[in-house]
Amino acid sequence: QSVLTQPPSVSGAPGQTVTISCTGSSSDIGAGYDVHWYQQLAGTAPKLLIFRDNKRPSGVPDRFSGSKSGATASLAITGLQAEDEAEYYCQSFDSSLNDFYVFGTGTKVTVL
Amino acid sequence: EVQLVQSGAEVKKPGESLKISCKASGYMFINYWIGWVRQMPGRGLEWMGIIYPDDSDITYSPSFQGQVTVSVDRSIATAYLQWSSLKASDTAIYYCARRGDSFLNFDYWGQGTVVTVSS
Repeated sequence: QSVLTQPPSVSGAPGQTVTISCTGSSSDIGAGYDVHWYQQLAGTAPKLLIFRDNKRPSGVPDRFSGSKSGATASLAITGLQAEDEAEYYCQSFDSSLNDFYVFGTGTKVTVL
Repeated sequence: EVQLVQSGAEVKKPGESLKISCKASGYMFINYWIGWVRQMPGRGLEWMGIIYPDDSDITYSPSFQGQVTVSVDRSIATAYLQWSSLKASDTAIYYCARRGDSFLNFDYWGQGTVVTVSS
């Protein structure tokens, strides 16, 4: 199954900024499809965090921001807080081989 | 309030069949695609398939085509994921999720159903 590549883990002290990359290909992110981000707290279901590259659903703090350039997207968390410790997944759409909805490999954010 | 409530945890033996459910409320069920996502123990998210309740149009991931069946019952606003013959490798958490109206994302998720397949 096609996947988007993320670093396995990133960490930072409270108040710092961490950035997670999400690298795709010419058939998904590079083809111009939107990138979405999900936060999965331990033992819970994923929650939509960022949609359409850089939009926040209602209730998501503005400490979370997204960006995209070419076939790579990024999620930044500024002013890191203890409750941000979670697994983060990017997701996009792939028009090739009927593998339409593709997820990233996931990144564990640890707050030191 | 949009809610997706999934059926409870299951423990099954290899070769047995299983059907898990996802009951939707708080929105017009037939107008939004419902997808299924697998998360194996300690692993990431994998898209399995998606169904449009209004006409039961279905697309499966090539990785899951022929392995599972997705369906809906419009009368009770419920989506289903079923297996005819489980394998130990089907042990995972399975999430249903509503696809967003305009964007190719999943805006609401069920709480997940834990499926354990063991002899």
